[in-house]
Amino acid sequence: GNSVTQMEGPVTLSEEAFLTINCTYTATGYPSLFWYVQYPGEGLQLLLKATKADDKGSNKGFEATYRKETTSFHLEKGSVQVSDSAVYFCALSDLYTGTASKLTFGTGTRLQVTL
Amino acid sequence: NAGVTQTPKFQVLKTGQSMTLQCAQDMNHEYMSWYRQDPGMGLRLIHYSVGAGITDQGEVPNGYNVSRSTTEDFPLRLLSAAPSQTSVYFCASRPVGLAGGRQFFGPGTRLTVL
Repeated sequence: GNSVTQMEGPVTLSEEAFLTINCTYTATGYPSLFWYVQYPGEGLQLLLKATKADDKGSNKGFEATYRKETTSFHLEKGSVQVSDSAVYFCALSDLYTGTASKLTFGTGTRLQVTL
Repeated sequence: NAGVTQTPKFQVLKTGQSMTLQCAQDMNHEYMSWYRQDPGMGLRLIHYSVGAGITDQGEVPNGYNVSRSTTEDFPLRLLSAAPSQTSVYFCASRPVGLAGGRQFFGPGTRLTVL
């Protein structure tokens, strides 16, 4: 079955530091890949996505590249801010099951950015 | 657009009590789903629906019932709450034609079962 593996957190960084959160996946077919972000006390919001190999998703300074050869979708940001403190979820959705395709989530990585 | 709304925001139940978590969306999305979020386990799918009158089980359906009488609403019922159901519950929706696409999440319901 499908699965997503994320690096364990929490990740604590100083403001303006470089961020990498690793994500690897196992899936049948050709999944779409997502990063969702959850700010404290809120629901999940889509941060970025990629739908095919070598696609790069980007938003708010965050980037992730769909690497089919390494089955990875690592999240990066060049300079984090305190406002980026949140929990980040890697997820995949495959088209194999058609209209009922479902999201499979990783366990989430908590990021804490300090001044 | 209000998007996906959930009520209540917080709830405390005693073991054996029943309750319904409400979820509504105003985006005319056919696909709706319920997840639970537990520490160290990410989000796990409970039930989902691809349209009014159609529901199916997800990864962790035991102890939960759903129905879908309208496109807008997708309530989740706990018939006899257990402490193992203490969790944060999220409802999500998307257009059914957007298989593989993003889902829109509600703000969540934090449930504690004593």
